[in-house]
Amino acid sequence: KAGVTQTPRYLIKTRGQQVTLSCSPISGHRSVSWYQQTPGQGFQFLFEYFSETQRNKGNFPGRFSGRQFSNSRSEMNVSTLELGDSALYLCASSSWGGVRETGANVLTFGAGSRLTVL
Amino acid sequence: QKEVEQNSGPLSVPEGAIASLNCTYSDRVSQSFFWYRQYSGKSPELIMSIYSNGDKEDGRFTAQLNKASQYVSLLIRDSQPSDSATYLCAVNMRDMRFGAGTRLTVKP
Repeated sequence: KAGVTQTPRYLIKTRGQQVTLSCSPISGHRSVSWYQQTPGQGFQFLFEYFSETQRNKGNFPGRFSGRQFSNSRSEMNVSTLELGDSALYLCASSSWGGVRETGANVLTFGAGSRLTVL
Repeated sequence: QKEVEQNSGPLSVPEGAIASLNCTYSDRVSQSFFWYRQYSGKSPELIMSIYSNGDKEDGRFTAQLNKASQYVSLLIRDSQPSDSATYLCAVNMRDMRFGAGTRLTVKP
């Protein structure tokens, strides 16, 4: 069973550019979450999607957006890049079925996309 | 108060010792709690989940949960150099929230 696939793995952008990151979840998983990890801010929640709907969003500016397609693949976009956006962006999928219940939301992470903004 | 807080570390223990990692959380209605391990340059991997008050043991790892105190811990017995990693506490709230992680170093 293939794991969570993120592309690209590494990318370098300059300030003001935009970037799109892609995530393909484990087959059958309908829930996809995105996180930003930096040495200074730690692990921060970006958004969660379930069946093409954004369920929750973290405290990030509107420059950060995402979407989920009917095949559960997800993309996130960051526009007008800033130096502080340099980070490891992690995608995780789960078999969570849309109801908050014990044990339902075990996340499996992809390898991440490391973004460097110059 | 942060939603999920961990002792910041870094934590260093000698090989064979017990490593103790702690986590507190703010959402009283949270029902699911997880510990992830992240090696340097790698993505997090699940090592333990716990849903009920008390202890849950898996090999050298024991997770402890106290919902009244909103406290989760992870004990690693007979620590090995291969356990050196960052340990992330995660709590399922409206979505999954993570602590900043505790870096553990096990010295031979």
